[in-house]
Amino acid sequence: GESVGLHLPTLSVQEGDNSIINCAYSNSASDYFIWYKQESGKGPQFIIDIRSNMDKRQGQRVTVLLNKTVKHLSLQIAATQPGDSAVYFCAGRGSTLGRLYFGRGTQLTVWP
Amino acid sequence: ETGVTQSPTHLIKTRGQQVTLRCSSQSGHNTVSWYQQALGQGPQFIFQYYREEENGRGNFPPRFSGLQFPNYSSELNVNALELDDSALYLCASSLPFGGSHEQFFGPGTRLTVL
Repeated sequence: GESVGLHLPTLSVQEGDNSIINCAYSNSASDYFIWYKQESGKGPQFIIDIRSNMDKRQGQRVTVLLNKTVKHLSLQIAATQPGDSAVYFCAGRGSTLGRLYFGRGTQLTVWP
Repeated sequence: ETGVTQSPTHLIKTRGQQVTLRCSSQSGHNTVSWYQQALGQGPQFIFQYYREEENGRGNFPPRFSGLQFPNYSSELNVNALELDDSALYLCASSLPFGGSHEQFFGPGTRLTVL
């Protein structure tokens, strides 16, 4: 089955620095890969996604990179702010049903 | 604000009891998926409902069951509760697969089984 996981459980950065959160996946059946942000007491919130036939996509302050050769996904956050502090999950979307396969998550802490 | 609501917010039950969790999907979304999120873990897919029928299921036993109503709202029922069922239960609504891929999550119901 699909398996999506993250390299590091925690990441601490200083306000204004760039953050990079990494994710590895084991199965290539996903048609999309998606990054979610989950703040304490809330459900996951969509940040950005990338179709499996792309290698880069940019949003507002965020960039997702997909390397299919090594089955690796990353989320780059520019000029990280205290409001970015949260747990970040990558997820693969199954190509037949659309179910999401989540990894464990990385806790991002932004220090002033 | 995603528009997906869940009730109750928190719930405490004892082993062997039964529980019903509720979800109202975002306006216009007719597909509802349920996920279980254990502490410190990512959400795990339980099942999906579309047009009032189960449309796919993850690796969960039959004591996890659901319903979807004509207004697209949904219920998750868990029978014979076990300690390991303690988790945050999330529902997500979306358009049918093949349309927009984005799933909108509710805030979840925190279930504690004692």
